[in-house]
Amino acid sequence: SQQGEEDPQALSIQEGENATMNCSYKTSINNLQWYRQNSGRGLVHLILIRSNEREKHSGRLRVTLDTSKKSSSLLITASRAADTASYFCATCSSSGYSTLTFGKGTMLLVSP
Amino acid sequence: GAGVSQSPRYKVAKRGQDVALRCDPISGHVSLFWYQQALGQGPEFLTYFQNEAQLDKSGLPSDRFFAERPEGSVSTLKIQRTQQEDSAVYLCASSPTTGLNQPQHFGDGTRLSIL
Repeated sequence: SQQGEEDPQALSIQEGENATMNCSYKTSINNLQWYRQNSGRGLVHLILIRSNEREKHSGRLRVTLDTSKKSSSLLITASRAADTASYFCATCSSSGYSTLTFGKGTMLLVSP
Repeated sequence: GAGVSQSPRYKVAKRGQDVALRCDPISGHVSLFWYQQALGQGPEFLTYFQNEAQLDKSGLPSDRFFAERPEGSVSTLKIQRTQQEDSAVYLCASSPTTGLNQPQHFGDGTRLSIL
């Protein structure tokens, strides 16, 4: 079963604009991860944020985590056409093994 | 270095046939995961191996699904008596250790179509 929901389901922006995607989840977590998937390809890991962290940066990516609201956001700044892809958040439970529970994803289209 | 490799990339089978999907994880990776991704959805967990031990198979949809990793490296996901609802992309992922705070490395998947 899917852990949570990404919002929006689809996002269309122009190159140079910022893109923000949100993720909500339901159970307690050890960490939350964001992945990118280009059409017909596997998932590529972008960033991992632990449950005791509130914000993390990696290049043009900024991730926030609010465990009290069980939500996270991914901000991509100065977007490029190459950022066009589906983006998924995935949670790793604080109990059990390191399996990931994914949301349904946000499809991002960046137009030149 | 080489990433996670899956074969075949595409598989078409008639309903009722058996299929076998192969995953070559990154060399030395202890943990190996199988996920199923339906069209337009996020991946859903099927099963988890730590070396050769299958520690979690709670996500396997039915007893027609079977996975193995006999020598702790290559893994095979087998689906017997395939049904149309088995059509999906099957993704394999590996990670270096059993720790929770590490990314998973995914292959490009096998797209399975059942006619």
